[in-house]
Amino acid sequence: GESVGLHLPTLSVQEGDNSIINCAYSNSASDYFIWYKQESGKGPQFIIDIRSNMDKRQGQRVTVLLNKTVKHLSLQIAATQPGDSAVYFCAERGSGNQFYFGTGTSLTVIP
Amino acid sequence: GAGVSQSPRYKVAKRGQDVALRCDPISGHVSLFWYQQALGQGPEFLTYFQNEAQLDKSGLPSDRFFAERPEGSVSTLKIQRTERGDSAVYLCASSPEPAGAATGELFFGEGSRLTVL
Repeated sequence: GESVGLHLPTLSVQEGDNSIINCAYSNSASDYFIWYKQESGKGPQFIIDIRSNMDKRQGQRVTVLLNKTVKHLSLQIAATQPGDSAVYFCAERGSGNQFYFGTGTSLTVIP
Repeated sequence: GAGVSQSPRYKVAKRGQDVALRCDPISGHVSLFWYQQALGQGPEFLTYFQNEAQLDKSGLPSDRFFAERPEGSVSTLKIQRTERGDSAVYLCASSPEPAGAATGELFFGEGSRLTVL
């Protein structure tokens, strides 16, 4: 079955610095990936997505990079703010069309 | 509201009791997913509906878990004879697109936290 994992379970950054959250996936057939943010007591919230035919996509303050050769995703957050503190999940769409989530990375922004 | 609504937000059950968790998806959304999220873990897929059809239930951990969406809108996840290991947050998500569409953002509810004593 598919598995999605993260390199670092926790990440602390200074306010204003850039954050990079990494994710490895195992299913080379996955065609679509989403990054979600989950704050305590809430459901995951969509941040940005990328299809497998792309290697980079930018949003507001966020960029997702996809390296299909090594099956690696990263989420870059520019000028990290205290409101960015949350758990971040990458999710891949598997062959059965359901999404598989990684364990998550807890981001803490230090004021 | 305009988002996915789940109820109850918190449920405490004694081991062996049956529970029912409700999900009101965003109006008009075709796809509905149930996920189970254990403490400190990512959401784990349970089941998927496209309208009223349950197209994938491969993630349901046992036959004690049952989900339905009879009219293609509201969905109920039922857990029979609850066990302590069932304690988790149960998340519902909906999408305007069928699973497998070119893009398929999931809109999540806030979840129902189940604690089995």
